Amino acid sequence: TQLLEQSPQFLSIQEGENLTVYCNSSSVFSSLQWYRQEPGEGPVLLVTVVTGGEVKKLKRLTFQFGDARKDSSLHITAAQPGDTGLYLCAGASNNAGNMLTFGGGTRLMVKP
Amino acid sequence: DAMVIQNPRYQVTQFGKPVTLSCSQTLNHNVMYWYQQKSSQAPKLLFHYYDKDFNNEADTPDNFQSRRPNTSFCFLDIRSPGLGDAAMYLCATSRAGGLYGYTFGSGTRLTVV
Repeated sequence: TQLLEQSPQFLSIQEGENLTVYCNSSSVFSSLQWYRQEPGEGPVLLVTVVTGGEVKKLKRLTFQFGDARKDSSLHITAAQPGDTGLYLCAGASNNAGNMLTFGGGTRLMVKP
Repeated sequence: DAMVIQNPRYQVTQFGKPVTLSCSQTLNHNVMYWYQQKSSQAPKLLFHYYDKDFNNEADTPDNFQSRRPNTSFCFLDIRSPGLGDAAMYLCATSRAGGLYGYTFGSGTRLTVV
């Protein structure tokens, strides 16, 4: 069974602060994705990283895939209230037919 | 726009009264998934279809069933809903596995009274 440990579980910060969310596993993944889910809605795919060491940027969000493809991080610069939501990492593995394994989620609240 | 549509968005059902949730997709994806999500937790996979091939998760209760009559539609049937089945139910699709991600619907919030 592949597990993705996501931390922290909860994060409450002030507008303008920076934050990092981590996603760690002992398993190697073919790809890793980050989703954001707003209350009452389904998760929306933010990014997919495929290559070890890959870094992708999406405006104020920076995503990194570990060199060994076992871990990933999401860094948000100058967080805004609109960033509030549940952030989910998910890994796809050849061993599981590329079915996604989800992390436990990080609930982020950005206060004005 | 190609998308995954779930109906209804909100469903209230009585304890023990069968209920059906529906999902349709215009993406022509091979795989459709049903997830259960309880408040602020990660989604939990119930089952998935790869084309017509049905795959049940080992810990999915027998109370939950699914049908996929064609590529575009998939249904979740809850035969006798209990209070513990109140949750958000998410439908998702992918072309073949999740290598490049899933597309989720907006979900159906199920309340059991």
